Amino acid sequence: GNSVTQMEGPVTLSEEAFLTINCTYTATGYPSLFWYVQYPGEGLQLLLKATKADDKGSNKGFEATYRKETTSFHLEKGSVQVSDSAVYFCALEGGGGADGLTFGKGTHLIIQP
Amino acid sequence: DAGVTQSPTHLIKTRGQQVTLRCSPKSGHDTVSWYQQALGQGPQFIFQYYEEEERQRGNFPDRFSGHQFPNYSSELNVNALLLGDSALYLCASSLSPTGELFFGEGSRLTVL
Repeated sequence: GNSVTQMEGPVTLSEEAFLTINCTYTATGYPSLFWYVQYPGEGLQLLLKATKADDKGSNKGFEATYRKETTSFHLEKGSVQVSDSAVYFCALEGGGGADGLTFGKGTHLIIQP
Repeated sequence: DAGVTQSPTHLIKTRGQQVTLRCSPKSGHDTVSWYQQALGQGPQFIFQYYEEEERQRGNFPDRFSGHQFPNYSSELNVNALLLGDSALYLCASSLSPTGELFFGEGSRLTVL
């Protein structure tokens, strides 16, 4: 079946640091890949997505590239802000596995001023 | 424009009891999906409702059932509660069964 593995948190960075949150996946076919973000006190929100190999999703300064050869979808941002503090979830859909979205366990990101 | 709203926000039940959670989708959305998020875990897909029918289902026992009403709102019912059912239950709505999901803040269920 489908599965998503993402780096354990919490990840603590200083403001303006470079961010990478690793995400790898297992799927039998060609899934769509997503990053969701959960800010304190709010529901999950879609941050970005990519639907086929080599696609790059981007939003709010965050980027992730769908790498089929390494089955990865790492999240990056060049300069993080305190307001980026949140829990980030990598997820996939499709690819011949179970129905619905399959999520990773989430990575808690803490940005210090 | 109201987003996805869920009720109740918190509730406590004892083992063996039954619970009903409610969800109102975002305006204009006709599809509702339910997810279970245990502490420290990512959300797990329970099922999806579209046109008042269960369209997809994840790996959850029959104790978990749902319903969608003509106004597109939805209920999640869990019978014979177990301690392991303690979790945050998330509702998400979308414009179609394959559309982008918009999540509510969840209903936190504690089973004692």
